Amino acid sequence: DGGITQSPKYLFRKEGQNVTLSCEQNLNHDAMYWYRQDPGQGLRLIYYSQIVNDFQKGDIAEGYSVSREKKESFPLTVTSAQKNPTAFYLCASNEVAGDIQYFGAGTRLSVL
Amino acid sequence: SQQGEEDPQALSIQEGENATMNCSYKTSINNLQWYRQNSGRGLVHLILIRSNEREKHSGRLRVTLDTSKKSSSLLITASRAADTASYFCATGGGRQGAQKLVFGQGTRLTINP
Repeated sequence: DGGITQSPKYLFRKEGQNVTLSCEQNLNHDAMYWYRQDPGQGLRLIYYSQIVNDFQKGDIAEGYSVSREKKESFPLTVTSAQKNPTAFYLCASNEVAGDIQYFGAGTRLSVL
Repeated sequence: SQQGEEDPQALSIQEGENATMNCSYKTSINNLQWYRQNSGRGLVHLILIRSNEREKHSGRLRVTLDTSKKSSSLLITASRAADTASYFCATGGGRQGAQKLVFGQGTRLTINP
């Protein structure tokens, strides 16, 4: 069953804690993306990667970090420097030559 | 930054009626896409229209693009309760880069039975 898997579905962060959101795809896509969605809002790009071992900052990268050690995996770490992390986080992927992005089901992050 | 602005922000209609949503953008684009999001879920791609196209159809969906006005519209005909969702336009290409998409804030559509 091909697709993008995000885990966990719900995540809680304590103040000062770093947390990592998982994103795995078996679509053999080269490009992967992380978006943040606040209530009633559109998606804002955090980071994206078009190839293994390379990634670029998006519009709101501050307080976040990523890695791309494998083609199928693109984990996002929300660091303690991100002062307002409560949001819905979406991972997406596409073929480098493709225009359509395919999305995971999202992770909802809340602060305790 | 968000390029697209969608109008209306919320739309409520009766089942069977047509729903029209509009999207405006600011910079040159390679393509414009519409996505759907059910509450608390990921986005699903609906339709893509390229900058050299003016109209495209897919089932009950009709998309138009006016590059001179930097605007697009999505029409859903004969709406069903299952169409209740948020709809987002996303622009690709131009100065944002070939693969990056910039999303609008969305239209929340409610279909009343």
